[in-house]
Amino acid sequence: GNSVTQMEGPVTLSEEAFLTINCTYTATGYPSLFWYVQYPGEGLQLLLKATKADDKGSNKGFEATYRKETTSFHLEKGSVQVSDSAVYFCALSEWGTNAGKSTFGDGTTLTVKP
Amino acid sequence: DVKVTQSSRYLVKRTGEKVFLECVQDMDHENMFWYRQDPGLGLRLIYFSYDVKMKEKGDIPEGYSVSREKKERFSLILESASTNQTSMYLCASSRTGGNQPQHFGDGTRLSIL
Repeated sequence: GNSVTQMEGPVTLSEEAFLTINCTYTATGYPSLFWYVQYPGEGLQLLLKATKADDKGSNKGFEATYRKETTSFHLEKGSVQVSDSAVYFCALSEWGTNAGKSTFGDGTTLTVKP
Repeated sequence: DVKVTQSSRYLVKRTGEKVFLECVQDMDHENMFWYRQDPGLGLRLIYFSYDVKMKEKGDIPEGYSVSREKKERFSLILESASTNQTSMYLCASSRTGGNQPQHFGDGTRLSIL
């Protein structure tokens, strides 16, 4: 079956530090890959996505590249802000599986200190 | 923008009660999902639906049922609430297709006393 493994947290960084959150996946087919962000007291919201190998998703200064050879989709940001403090989820979804079901990682909590 | 609305942000119920959690989406999405989120356990899929009146069990359906009588509304039912169902419940919707993201509501924090 499909699975997503992401870097365990919590991660604590100082403002303007470089962020990497690792994500690797196992899938039987050719998945699309997603990063979601959950701010305190809210639901998840899509941060970025990539639908095929070597695609780069980007949004709000965050980037992730779909690496088929290493089955990875690591999230990066060059300079984090306090407002980036949140829980980040890596996820995959495949064509042909039930109704667009997604497989989620366990989430990584990021705290950015001023 | 897609809006997924969950009827309550906070809910307190008693053991043994029948509890209804309601979710409505406004973008004509085919798929709808119910998850529960607990510390250290990530997101766990309870049930999902890919069409009106259709439903499929997720990973943890025991103690829950669902209803989808209209495309925009997906209800989660706790038949006889128990304290181990105290949790954050998240509803989501999406279009059909492997490259479609899910859109989430803000969640209902349910406490069973």
